[in-house]
Amino acid sequence: GAVVSQHPSRVICKSGTSVKIECRSLDFQATTMFWYRQFPKQSLMLMATSNEGSKATYEQGVEKDKFLINHASLTLSTLTVTSAHPEDSSFYICSATGTVNTEAFFGQGTRLTVV
Amino acid sequence: GQQLNQSPQSMFIQEGEDVSMNCTSSSIFNTWLWYKQEPGEGPVLLIALYKAGELTSNGRLTAQFGITRKDSFLNISASIPSDVGIYFCAGPLMGNNRKLIWGLGTSLAVNP
Repeated sequence: GAVVSQHPSRVICKSGTSVKIECRSLDFQATTMFWYRQFPKQSLMLMATSNEGSKATYEQGVEKDKFLINHASLTLSTLTVTSAHPEDSSFYICSATGTVNTEAFFGQGTRLTVV
Repeated sequence: GQQLNQSPQSMFIQEGEDVSMNCTSSSIFNTWLWYKQEPGEGPVLLIALYKAGELTSNGRLTAQFGITRKDSFLNISASIPSDVGIYFCAGPLMGNNRKLIWGLGTSLAVNP
């Protein structure tokens, strides 16, 4: 399958600081990338959908100014958690789809801890 | 948000046993996807199904796309300890930019 690389895998930051998470498709062009949040023992919760070169579409209840998404190229999307607070601590996962099928390939996830 | 109905929620089995889990929806899907997620990792695609009635295998895994296009099942034969994880079904909303709808997952534990 296609490879999606997410970085960093773990990050600890102080409350009030911002954290950037990168998602790269390594061997295909990702026309669409998705950002998810996952709480322990729960399913994936979609936060936003981003298409290369256009603004991200956020799901209801997700603050776009809090979770900034940039999809500047067909192989890279970034999620920036701004002014992080302890309640933002979670597992964030990106996925990417190519131009042909609807299969989504996932990054390894980022465990964010805000202290 | 919208979710698929996935069951069972969890399973505890002995090594060597077969496992079956399924997903149902009130809506029709054109694609069914099955993923496995291990702790601290992102989901990994196991099997993708694109046609109603399709039966596809991947090693000891077999999945079928239901004829009504509203359900799918995943079977694991002769389970081994490394099958432990959470299995999710997912399907893209019709005409919606490939946004996936997810099941709540089936947590599998295998006793060696």
